[in-house]
Amino acid sequence: DAGITQSPRHKVTETGTPVTLRCHQTENHRYMYWYRQDPGHGLRLIHYSYGVKDTDKGEVSDGYSVSRSKTEDFLLTLESATSSQTSVYFCASEGRGNTGELFFGEGSRLTVL
Amino acid sequence: GENVEQHPSTLSVQEGDSAVIKCTYSDSASNYFPWYKQELGKRPQLIIDIRSNVGEKKDQRIAVTLNKTAKHFSLHITETQPEDSAVYFCAASLGAAGNKLTFGGGTRVLVKP
Repeated sequence: DAGITQSPRHKVTETGTPVTLRCHQTENHRYMYWYRQDPGHGLRLIHYSYGVKDTDKGEVSDGYSVSRSKTEDFLLTLESATSSQTSVYFCASEGRGNTGELFFGEGSRLTVL
Repeated sequence: GENVEQHPSTLSVQEGDSAVIKCTYSDSASNYFPWYKQELGKRPQLIIDIRSNVGEKKDQRIAVTLNKTAKHFSLHITETQPEDSAVYFCAASLGAAGNKLTFGGGTRVLVKP
């Protein structure tokens, strides 16, 4: 596996609280992505990054923000968590050489009560 | 934007039989079609991909076919084994570096011994 890790791996929080998930990669990959995985919906793109301080919205970006201050770190923030954001979140980075292959982190399971 | 439909959502096969998963996509400009396998509790991993300049690609017991005219592509697994039990996701994108993958809803495959 490419060196991509997520933290925390599990989190339980209450509605209305902010939550930040961290993705860290050691491959010097330029492109990074945050997806959420829900039954029947596959993986849906939340936000992505083309490089340091260069981010854009995906298809389900409402209620989420991201930041990328260093190549290796991509943070996902839920500004005010809601129960609909209970999900498994996957970070991914894209390998070099235009292969298109995504390397995923282990996932972060978030429960919003 | 792109929309990817995947069928069936669940598939149960007897060990040794073949399994076929089908996907359709909406954006005729898409030209990169990967398949990811996700074992229970693990991260998705690329197993095979195809680009629009070829109609079929094989790798041991797995193969992918693409029909650009009809905008559909399929994954074929022959001689299924218990370790093939997993969730499989198809995806589509424009194929260049940094292009965002749109995933199908996933197919849960169960191989019965």
